[in-house]
Amino acid sequence: GAVVSQHPSRVICKSGTSVKIECRSLDFQATTMFWYRQFPKQSLMLMATSNEGSKATYEQGVEKDKFLINHASLTLSTLTVTSAHPEDSSFYICSALSMSSRTDTQYFGPGTRLTVL
Amino acid sequence: GESVGLHLPTLSVQEGDNSIINCAYSNSASDYFIWYKQESGKGPQFIIDIRSNMDKRQGQRVTVLLNKTVKHLSLQIAATQPGDSAVYFCAETPRGSSNTGKLIFGQGTTLQVKP
Repeated sequence: GAVVSQHPSRVICKSGTSVKIECRSLDFQATTMFWYRQFPKQSLMLMATSNEGSKATYEQGVEKDKFLINHASLTLSTLTVTSAHPEDSSFYICSALSMSSRTDTQYFGPGTRLTVL
Repeated sequence: GESVGLHLPTLSVQEGDNSIINCAYSNSASDYFIWYKQESGKGPQFIIDIRSNMDKRQGQRVTVLLNKTVKHLSLQIAATQPGDSAVYFCAETPRGSSNTGKLIFGQGTTLQVKP
């Protein structure tokens, strides 16, 4: 149980294009999902907290107009990187909090490798 | 020129030995801590957690120790195996964020297990 998927797992795009990444909780419902970014050999940096039915909460320094987050259902959150540039190339990871969980455990997706040419 | 950038500390151990991975957390108000394992190209995998009202918690082959006085967290892996090779992150939930589950990740340590 508690499986989180991401799609696509890997994407290469041209500079200036937009890329959408999906995060799904497969066997549980999640009112809260999180989006992280991870550069090579570095830790995970929280970008934003995605709440179902409301606006996402962005961390300091993360541009909300560049990283659009939509949490339209209890099992799906999307991250759209708009007008992507090479510096946006990174490993994007989502996680989800189970509504039925009694702990604060986040279940992580497998990540999406974004390469912007 | 001088290279700039972060790099993960590395712990190298012999197969069968015990491993101890350390983490210093920053927020004295944090009340929930988790250790994650991340293999190359994958998302983090939950290992074990501990709340601030505990000093020690044991799982299968793993033990987490919490020292709130010095804000230190450690992960002990018994009889380390090649499959334990990965990057290990500690994460904390600052008090007040427990309703949202927001996590702050530590720097991470690369564990290399030599056969």
